[in-house]
Amino acid sequence: KNEVEQSPQNLTAQEGEFITINCSYSVGISALHWLQQHPGGGIVSLFMLSSGKKKHGRLIATINIQEKHSSLHITASHPRDSAVYICAVPLYGGATNKLIFGTGTLLAVQP
Amino acid sequence: DVKVTQSSRYLVKRTGEKVFLECVQDMDHENMFWYRQDPGLGLRLIYFSYDVKMKEKGDIPEGYSVSREKKERFSLILESASTNQTSMYLCASRSRVYEQYFGPGTRLTVT
Repeated sequence: KNEVEQSPQNLTAQEGEFITINCSYSVGISALHWLQQHPGGGIVSLFMLSSGKKKHGRLIATINIQEKHSSLHITASHPRDSAVYICAVPLYGGATNKLIFGTGTLLAVQP
Repeated sequence: DVKVTQSSRYLVKRTGEKVFLECVQDMDHENMFWYRQDPGLGLRLIYFSYDVKMKEKGDIPEGYSVSREKKERFSLILESASTNQTSMYLCASRSRVYEQYFGPGTRLTVT
């Protein structure tokens, strides 16, 4: 069983739609990361959050530590939002805290 | 802005060649990581380093080695490249507050 699971794996939306991507995890954490990767591109960190909600432009991330669940919302989606969105949680132990990654959600926003 | 740079965006090597992938960060981070990213498998940790000359194996270290002679530079070495090492390689460094910064990635093809 994966320790970090994302849904859906693939998502196609029309421009302007409200989008939600979900992430559930089974390990204990203090913070969760949302990452974005455009086709052929590197990875950009969108959010790191440990409680409540964070907002950056049209992107909103929420987390419920008790339920071990986080969501990434995109309001008024645009074709430039088309990318892979990855959630990741730190696994504690050893000399450092490595990240456990979900397999990503491929989002395509059509004009 | 934190910057993590990688020496090449695209690299083509022959089976059996020794391959060096270089990563440099400019924010004095202690922790640096090498990942590979493959379709359907997501990001997997190869090696990480928590200080100069310190290194630890990640989840898939076989066929790889690393070097960290200076704090800002973390090198991934493929001693004898094989076709199953064709992949996207991503370097990351991490701040004290656990936010990870990724490089642009190196797409390596071994023929």
